[in-house]
Amino acid sequence: DTEVTQTPKHLVMGMTNKKSLKCEQHMGHRAMYWYKQKAKKPPELMFVYSYEKLSINESVPSRFSPECPNSSLLNLHLHALQPEDSALYLCASSQGQGAYEQYFGPGTRLTVT
Amino acid sequence: AQSVAQPEDQVNVAEGNPLTVKCTYSVSGNPYLFWYVQYPNRGLQFLLKYITGDNLVKGSYGFEAEFNKSQTSFHLKKPSALVSDSALYFCAEGNFNKFYFGSGTKLNVKP
Repeated sequence: DTEVTQTPKHLVMGMTNKKSLKCEQHMGHRAMYWYKQKAKKPPELMFVYSYEKLSINESVPSRFSPECPNSSLLNLHLHALQPEDSALYLCASSQGQGAYEQYFGPGTRLTVT
Repeated sequence: AQSVAQPEDQVNVAEGNPLTVKCTYSVSGNPYLFWYVQYPNRGLQFLLKYITGDNLVKGSYGFEAEFNKSQTSFHLKKPSALVSDSALYFCAEGNFNKFYFGSGTKLNVKP
């Protein structure tokens, strides 16, 4: 099973709302990632968790707050977003970092109004 | 600094013809290189990777890639393209803790 699941598939939120994106994997992977992707562009790394600890924050604005409750789950909490934050948000996981392939979820299409 | 480059924004090929999607890398030493495919409104799907060993790597859906150290390239190939191969393709280099993606190449396979 190489599946990473993400919920919801679509999300529309206002600039004053608080919402959360969820990601789950049951492959026993110890590294999990959040990416932001604009149309026809490569994914941009936001956060990396390794063994449930935040190891990389790519200078992401504080309106995005990641959380890793356990080794299978990854959340992204959203608050006071801007319209330019509208994008496809992808979660990925891998056995480790560097030489290991990452497996991606289908993404959450976020629209900020 | 960009460690992988995809020089073509778009590649057009007729169904049944061989296809090549180009990727070059600039990292020194032994790179970890990957190819992914993305269909519209979907996540990225892993196709293949080069870590070490044979320069010709075989992957999913009949794709293969050749690692060429002298030309610092890792081009994706398929002997006979299908219309269903039409998608966005990303090359990536993995260092110690993260991936660096190329800009992507849109592959159009026409019937």
